Amino acid sequence: SQQGEEDPQALSIQEGENATMNCSYKTSINNLQWYRQNSGRGLVHLILIRSNEREKHSGRLRVTLDTSKKSSSLLITASRAADTASYFCATDPNSGGYQKVTFGTGTKLQVIP
Amino acid sequence: NAGVMQNPRHLVRRRGQEARLRCSPMKGHSHVYWYRQLPEEGLKFMVYLQKENIIDESGMPKERFSAEFPKEGPSILRIQQVVRGDSAAYFCASSPPPSGDTQYFGPGTRLTVL
Repeated sequence: SQQGEEDPQALSIQEGENATMNCSYKTSINNLQWYRQNSGRGLVHLILIRSNEREKHSGRLRVTLDTSKKSSSLLITASRAADTASYFCATDPNSGGYQKVTFGTGTKLQVIP
Repeated sequence: NAGVMQNPRHLVRRRGQEARLRCSPMKGHSHVYWYRQLPEEGLKFMVYLQKENIIDESGMPKERFSAEFPKEGPSILRIQQVVRGDSAAYFCASSPPPSGDTQYFGPGTRLTVL
């Protein structure tokens, strides 16, 4: 089964509103990453948060990580139409000495102008 | 500094044909990962390679699929005798040594099997 599970599966908001997406995972991790995928395109790396970090910011993005609950959230503030995309969390488990990430099924975000 | 390159971007094959997907990692990156994405799903890990070595192929189907990353040239994902179920987007990612935290993704190859 998938290591990462995003919630909600789909989200539709008005431009200017904030969007929050959640990710839950099952096993212990080294780090967790969020990616964006525009329709029919490749993935763009957004932000990485390590297991010993609780919160991280990058521009309009804010990521939190709660390792006790095995969950993370991605907040996009002041959303724009260009933020319309699918968002995936990816976890890098504590194993192997290399990065074998596992992706969730994604949250489809639609920002309505 | 070009990103990860994949070609072709779109590939159409008939059942039973072979599909060859190419991935050129970013300059200086010696780690390559292949993923498959079915419609409306997340990416599923297939294989992790370093130059001339397959490190982890636990996500590769046992038959018809193979991957290589030669000393010179791109990484190749090869699918023999394709079937309709192989239709998907195949993404390659690369990371720098020793095993960087961030994987950089290519634009993907969309394979359609008729």
